Amino acid sequence: DTEVTQTPKHLVMGMTNKKSLKCEQHMGHRAMYWYKQKAKKPPELMFVYSYEKLSINESVPSRFSPECPNSSLLNLHLHALQPEDSALYLCASSRMLAGEYNEQFFGPGTRLTVL
Amino acid sequence: KNEVEQSPQNLTAQEGEFITINCSYSVGISALHWLQQHPGGGIVSLFMLSSGKKKHGRLIATINIQEKHSSLHITASHPRDSAVYICAVLYGGSQGNLIFGKGTKLSVKP
Repeated sequence: DTEVTQTPKHLVMGMTNKKSLKCEQHMGHRAMYWYKQKAKKPPELMFVYSYEKLSINESVPSRFSPECPNSSLLNLHLHALQPEDSALYLCASSRMLAGEYNEQFFGPGTRLTVL
Repeated sequence: KNEVEQSPQNLTAQEGEFITINCSYSVGISALHWLQQHPGGGIVSLFMLSSGKKKHGRLIATINIQEKHSSLHITASHPRDSAVYICAVLYGGSQGNLIFGKGTKLSVKP
C-alpha cells in the first residue's frame, strides 16, 4: 500500500460546528504532516508529527487541533472555524530515516468550506 | 530567507512539444521535490532529487546544486499533462520542512 488516504473528500460546515478530518497511511512512515492550501497558492505547513508526537506547530490558531492516535492515523479536529479557513487541507507522510532525504507522499486532500 | 522561484508561471503548449519548467532557490538545501497537482486535486510526488538527473517515463528532472537550479522536462507532451507543477525544496535533516514555489500552470492543447 503506497498511498495516503484522506476523508472526507469534501466538507461543508458552519462556524459553530465541530468536525474532524482524517488521514491514514500504511507505508510505515513515522512522520505525518498537515498542510493548508488556498486557491492558486502553494501549500502552507500547519503541523508535523514525528513518532506520534507533535514536533512542529506553525503558529496555527487553536481552532485547529491535531491528533495522532497511532503511527498510521492523523486527525485534524476543527471547531469554531471562520470562512477564511475554507481551503484544501492536505495530509502527507514520510519516513524518518536519519541522514536520508525523506520524500513526502501526499493525500488527495479534503476540500473544506466554512459557511 | 529561503525562497523558491519558478518560471514560467503559466505555460501553454501544443501536444507533442518538449516542455521545460525551471526552479531556482536561494540557499543550501538537502533535496528538491517536483510535484504535480491537477485542478481541485491532491498532490503527486514526481521526483525527489539531491544531485544529477532522474527520469520516469516522459519526465526528466535535473538539478545543479552549485547553481541552485533545477529543471523539469516533459517530452512529447500530452493534454493529460495539464496540471500545476510545483517545485519544493527540503531543508533540514530527516524531518525537513518543504518550502514551496508558487507553481507553474501548464496547459497542453490537443
